[in-house]
Amino acid sequence: EVQLVESGGGVVRPGGSLRLSCAASGFTFGDYGMSWVRQAPGKGLEWVSGISWNGDSTGYADSVKGRFTISRDNAKNSLYLQMNSLRAEDTALYQCARVLGGQQSSYYYYYMDVWGKGTTVTVSS
Amino acid sequence: DIQMMQSPSSLSASLGDRVTITCRASQSISNYLNWYQHKPGKAPKLLIYAASSLQSGVPSRFSGSGSGTDFTLTISSLQPEDFATYYCQQSYSNPRFTFGPGTKVDIK
Repeated sequence: EVQLVESGGGVVRPGGSLRLSCAASGFTFGDYGMSWVRQAPGKGLEWVSGISWNGDSTGYADSVKGRFTISRDNAKNSLYLQMNSLRAEDTALYQCARVLGGQQSSYYYYYMDVWGKGTTVTVSS
Repeated sequence: DIQMMQSPSSLSASLGDRVTITCRASQSISNYLNWYQHKPGKAPKLLIYAASSLQSGVPSRFSGSGSGTDFTLTISSLQPEDFATYYCQQSYSNPRFTFGPGTKVDIK
């Protein structure tokens, strides 16, 4: 069964740090890009960060750039999100998602097709 | 950075209604546009990828169209299980994505 399981969430004070992990199983992890997506209470989905299959290419939302770092270890089938300088507005459910890429006719496509259940991060004093 | 806008932000509709949601990108994204359905407590579900391709297993009442900056998601006949929030998402700048703010569809 294809599965993503997040861990590492918790309660942290403003300015603190957390490291989220996402354990993948049931597929060849190293063949896929990955993303982190979050949803704050009462808000919509926000894409946070993404990484290519080999880790060579990464991207961040403006809201977390310079504070969060995405990484992966294909040997351990794991994705990570190092979150520093946390703010109250970072409080959210964080989910990892698999990015499927392919080609159809003359164009390419990428989409998130498998999601974990998420881990909750609460930033509060 | 590519910004995504959706309209309306919410709508009320009746069973059997035809529903149309629009999404606009701040720059041309070709057809790198996906649509997701999201219900509380569940993982987002991919409906449409590459602007108009129906994801396997998704009912044919869902369809997508558009290219460049303007896109549309249409539900041809609203069913009870379709009440949810719908998001567009660009993948043009892979691995850097963006979601639209969402459109909540509820019962009239």
